Amino acid sequence: AQTVTQSQPEMSVQEAETVTLSCTYDTSESDYYLFWYKQPPSRQMILVIRQEAYKQQNATENRFSVNFQKAAKSFSLKISDSQLGDAAMYFCAYTSGTYKYIFGTGTRLKVLA
Amino acid sequence: GAGVSQSPRYKVAKRGQDVALRCDPISGHVSLFWYQQALGQGPEFLTYFQNEAQLDKSGLPSDRFFAERPEGSVSTLKIQRTQQEDSAVYLCASEGGYYEQYFGPGTRLTVT
Repeated sequence: AQTVTQSQPEMSVQEAETVTLSCTYDTSESDYYLFWYKQPPSRQMILVIRQEAYKQQNATENRFSVNFQKAAKSFSLKISDSQLGDAAMYFCAYTSGTYKYIFGTGTRLKVLA
Repeated sequence: GAGVSQSPRYKVAKRGQDVALRCDPISGHVSLFWYQQALGQGPEFLTYFQNEAQLDKSGLPSDRFFAERPEGSVSTLKIQRTQQEDSAVYLCASEGGYYEQYFGPGTRLTVT
């Protein structure tokens, strides 16, 4: 069965600094998709970044980038130049391309002014 | 409306009551998902619709849970005879394509 593990319940970062959130997953599939979602205190979850497993190049979206290590089944999120608005719960998620998405337990990110 | 909306945002039910939670997806989105999110946890899949067809309901915790999407747009998640363990945030998401889910704000259900 596929699983997604986020081992950091909480992380803190100083404003303008860089932070990396970790995620590991387990799957026997060769093609799949990985995601990072942000859930601010208002609870509306939004997609931050998406990575297709068949792409070797790491996805980037402005200040957000991933380090995708397929062999190690690792998918970390790097946030550069952290801003107060980045404070939220971050969830790593996986799908093998069906409609079933599996989410990790989340990492709460605090941004210190 | 530009996004996914859910109503009510908060619901308090006495144990044993029936509740109905509504989801209005983004217009034109074929796929619709329901998730249950317990406190401090990630969302857990409940059920999936493609248009009006419920293709997977394997995540529904018991036969007290029922979901429908009769016209392929608005969806309702119904919970009969609510129990305390049903207390959670219920999230709806719609997807127009390419694995980009848009989530609603959720309904926080508290069963007393």
